[in-house]
Amino acid sequence: QTVVTQEPSFSVSPGGTVTLTCGLTSGSVSRNYYPSWYQQTPGQAPRTLIYRTNTRASGVPDRFSGSILGNKAALTIMGAQADDESDYYCVPYMGGGISVFGGGSKVTVL
Amino acid sequence: QVQLVESGGGVVQPGTSLRLSCAASGFTFSSYFMHWVRQAPHKGLEWVAVISYDETKKFHADSVKGRFTISRDNSKNTVYLQMNSLRAEDTAVYYCARNGGDWSAEGPFFDYWGQGILVTVSS
Repeated sequence: QTVVTQEPSFSVSPGGTVTLTCGLTSGSVSRNYYPSWYQQTPGQAPRTLIYRTNTRASGVPDRFSGSILGNKAALTIMGAQADDESDYYCVPYMGGGISVFGGGSKVTVL
Repeated sequence: QVQLVESGGGVVQPGTSLRLSCAASGFTFSSYFMHWVRQAPHKGLEWVAVISYDETKKFHADSVKGRFTISRDNSKNTVYLQMNSLRAEDTAVYYCARNGGDWSAEGPFFDYWGQGILVTVSS
């Protein structure tokens, strides 16, 4: 069974840039997987950031961007701010009607 | 504005059943696929199920297949999750989410989320 992989944690300085990735234990994530990204702070519902690889959801600032880097989907946060400190989840669609979340990446801004 | 409000959660014993509801407003409910996603305490997000706008397509995660069933009533703008044979590992906050875009052509993504409802399975 293919697992969606994400780095467990990142630390970024305020104003800095961080890139999170989303891969598969078997195969590559491409645009054909329509990867999407979600942000969640503790105790809150998730917030949609990116869909279809690189389309920002309504109200999402342009310092969040999505792309494909090599064989993985990527989420880049530029000019990190304190309130970017959250968990970030990706979902690459592998077909068959089933969605699978990655394990999430915890981003700390300090 | 789009609103999704879950209800029906609570504390139940293992082996029993529960039905969650998600009332939708602010959009044409009958035109959208809808999902359930859950999150166990201190764990990540886990997709549970999806249903098409006309109920012709339903898919469930392997972890709940045969025990949970997603359904909807477009006349009531409501999506349901019937949960049977509940286990301790089903303890989680359950979110309903709207699918954005064309699910069939572009795959799933979740564009609006409810606030979630807690289900606790414990003896």
